[in-house]
Amino acid sequence: KNQVEQSPQSLIILEGKNCTLQCNYTVSPFSNLRWYKQDTGRGPVSLTIMTFSENTKSNGRYTATLDADTKQSSLHITASQLSDSASYICVVRGYSGGSNYKLTFGKGTLLTVNP
Amino acid sequence: GAVVSQHPSRVICKSGTSVKIECRSLDFQATTMFWYRQFPKQSLMLMATSNEGSKATYEQGVEKDKFLINHASLTLSTLTVTSAHPEDSSFYICSAARTVSLEQYFGPGTRLTVT
Repeated sequence: KNQVEQSPQSLIILEGKNCTLQCNYTVSPFSNLRWYKQDTGRGPVSLTIMTFSENTKSNGRYTATLDADTKQSSLHITASQLSDSASYICVVRGYSGGSNYKLTFGKGTLLTVNP
Repeated sequence: GAVVSQHPSRVICKSGTSVKIECRSLDFQATTMFWYRQFPKQSLMLMATSNEGSKATYEQGVEKDKFLINHASLTLSTLTVTSAHPEDSSFYICSAARTVSLEQYFGPGTRLTVT
């Protein structure tokens, strides 16, 4: 069964600190992995996308890593800001046959950045 | 590019009534649109996939007669929750893709409250 597990479930950090969120998946065949930021009451917004051959990708203060062998990914946030408070969702796109793909969503890590 | 909108952003309706939610791709044509439901602190759950001009494909456990989906044009899909009950209260998110095999772009979501 395709699954995406994220840890921790929630995290509280002080403004300016760094943090790392984890994602483990069992989705196969693998197409790509995205990290999304979802503000409360809003839809998910894509931060990074990584394919099988990519190990690291950065988007400003966000850096994602992918180890396709161990099926693990991480999202590192540098110099956190209050506006980083949100749920961060790991989504793995798997191939499901024909021209069809399916997304498997993690439950997200709720990040709270305090002043 | 790839902007998806939803209307309304919030709706409150009485039990037993029907409510329609619109999903529009603003700057691209979407042959495929997806409807998700998200309960508090849970991940997005796919409800159905709709292709323009054809009937939607519903996920297991989703009542097609209760959640009516229409994808009549390449830029608009609608989800109608019929005879709504309080347990239908949730956050409904749509996404759109140029084709079924390409990436999905998410809308901002609609908060439905059934009283």
